[in-house]
Formats: sequence, structure tokens, C-alpha cells
Amino acid sequence: EPEVTQTPSHQVTQMGQEVILRCVPISNHLYFYWYRQILGQKVEFLVSFYNNEISEKSEIFDDQFSVERPDGSNFTLKIRSTKLEDSAMYFCASSEPGPGYEQYFGPGTRLTVT
Amino acid sequence: DAKTTQPNSMESNEEEPVHLPCNHSTISGTDYIHWYRQLPSQGPEYVIHGLTSNVNNRMASLAIAEDRKSSTLILHRATLRDAAVYYCILRGYSGAGSYQLTFGKGTKLSVIP
Repeated sequence: EPEVTQTPSHQVTQMGQEVILRCVPISNHLYFYWYRQILGQKVEFLVSFYNNEISEKSEIFDDQFSVERPDGSNFTLKIRSTKLEDSAMYFCASSEPGPGYEQYFGPGTRLTVT
Repeated sequence: DAKTTQPNSMESNEEEPVHLPCNHSTISGTDYIHWYRQLPSQGPEYVIHGLTSNVNNRMASLAIAEDRKSSTLILHRATLRDAAVYYCILRGYSGAGSYQLTFGKGTKLSVIP
């Protein structure tokens, strides 16, 4: 069964450093997403990406965040200058277009900012 | 996306059926009803979805009320591995061309051996 993969599984960084979280979505999917989940809280939407551009973003996704699809397979989330409050699980997901299709999630990257 | 209401928690005995309810009284005609679950320390996992008719797959069944204002996820025989938080989420067409999921608190299902 196809799956979404994410690397690294755990990233530790110092406050103010840049981090890049990587995802390989399912190959024939066209929509890509990033979500985050702070420990003990709800899963929160960050951004969706379609046709090489952001289609929607949440209030959380401010100027320190960016996404990119640098090649035909990877989808990345960059946090330019990490803050303590960025510590969370970050999940990548992908889907086919339309509300009648399921989203497939990756296992997540645990980001710890010290 | 329209709002859904789920119980905070439920318990089930292992090997017995579980019925997880969801109310969505403001659902629109084009909203799909999706269910996802999140096992401890894992990412969300798709379970099932439907529009109007009841649906079955290898994981579960989805029973949708005739007026579509509520639905029930049915796990036919709960196992310990089914202990998770279950989310009922409505997804409709988006003018922005984005179909992100809006997660609530879900229902935490505990399975008793």
C-alpha cells in the first residue's frame, strides 16, 4: 500500500536556527498538506499546496514558514528562525483533489526547539 | 467546514462492537463525512468516509442518518489496537481549491481487555 514518508523522525534544534522538514507524498497525489500537533493538543492545519503554489494557509503559517516542492517527489516545510513554541509533531499529508478523497498522513517529525 | 459534535470519551470491551456517534446538524448537501483516527504517538489515519449512503470497508462501517445530521462509525469487533482518538470531520468543496481537514477533540476510545 502506498504511504507518505517523512524525515527526520526527530529533529532537535536551537532557538533561532532554521529547520527543513521533508516529506515524500504519494506519487499520484496532487494536493499536499502540513499539519502540526503540539503535545496534548489538537491537530492543526498549517498549509495546503497544489499546482506548485500555496492554495490555503492558516494563521499559524506566518512569514517564518515556507513550503516548497523542489522536485517531483519531495515536499518540504522550512521554519526560518525557530521559536520554543514551534516544538511540536509536524505531519505531512497528501490526497487526490476533492472532498470525497481521503488524506494519507505521514508518521510525523517531532521537532524539539531548545 | 461545518461543525461536528462527538462525545469526549467512550469505553468498549475487547471483541465487542463499538458505535461512535457524531452530530453534524449544519451539514450542507455537498459535505462528505470523514472519519480518521489517531493511535497514540502516531499520525492521523484515514478510516472511512461517505456522502449519503452507508459505507463499509475493511476497517469499519459508516452509518449515515437519512437527514445526514448525524452519523455513526461502527467497529464490528474492537481490538486493543483500536484504542485511539476518533475524529469525525466534514469536508466540502472549497473555493480556494484546498481540502484540508479541521480536527476537533474527537472521541477517545478505550478498549478494555
